[in-house]
Amino acid sequence: DVKVTQSSRYLVKRTGEKVFLECVQDMDHENMFWYRQDPGLGLRLIYFSYDVKMKEKGDIPEGYSVSREKKERFSLILESASTNQTSMYLCASRPDWGETQYFGPGTRLLVL
Amino acid sequence: EDQVTQSPEALRLQEGESSSLNCSYTVSGLRGLFWYRQDPGKGPEFLFTLYSAGEEKEKERLKATLTKKESFLHITAPKPEDSATYLCAVQAVETSGSRLTFGEGTQLTVNP
Repeated sequence: DVKVTQSSRYLVKRTGEKVFLECVQDMDHENMFWYRQDPGLGLRLIYFSYDVKMKEKGDIPEGYSVSREKKERFSLILESASTNQTSMYLCASRPDWGETQYFGPGTRLLVL
Repeated sequence: EDQVTQSPEALRLQEGESSSLNCSYTVSGLRGLFWYRQDPGKGPEFLFTLYSAGEEKEKERLKATLTKKESFLHITAPKPEDSATYLCAVQAVETSGSRLTFGEGTQLTVNP
């Protein structure tokens, strides 16, 4: 079974704080993704990584950065959190040999 | 630009009342169409991948079908535990990082 874990299920932060969201997958997948999910907007891709230290911008990268130092771990960083970054954040992974993305349980972030 | 539209937005069924969810898509060239189930507060759970028109896949009470313009998720004799939001996503042939484009989902409620 594919397992994708995220460091926190719920997180409350203050405006201006630096926020780290961690994602770990245990299936040796090459590709990892960060999405945010908002009512009425669906899932939107923030960043993805196809290899260690490699990253590409998704559809809404502004205000976010990512880090992938090890194959199994992909971090999303909010440099200076703002209230409009309150959302559900979902991490996913996919092997090079397959098309299907497998999702983690999500982190619900509230920025006050 | 790839687009996915799901209908209806919400659907209420009685236990045992079969129905179908629709996913209409526009994509330059389809590499794959994906169905996910999402329970409240959790990450999407993979259900099916369909690759070509005419393909069908089944899992318990669910059957997914694909044409050149849309996909249907048929639910036969649903049970209350089938209540969830069902998400459809497409992956285009010419896409960077195998990114997915998601619809907004259909929220299904099955009453006992």
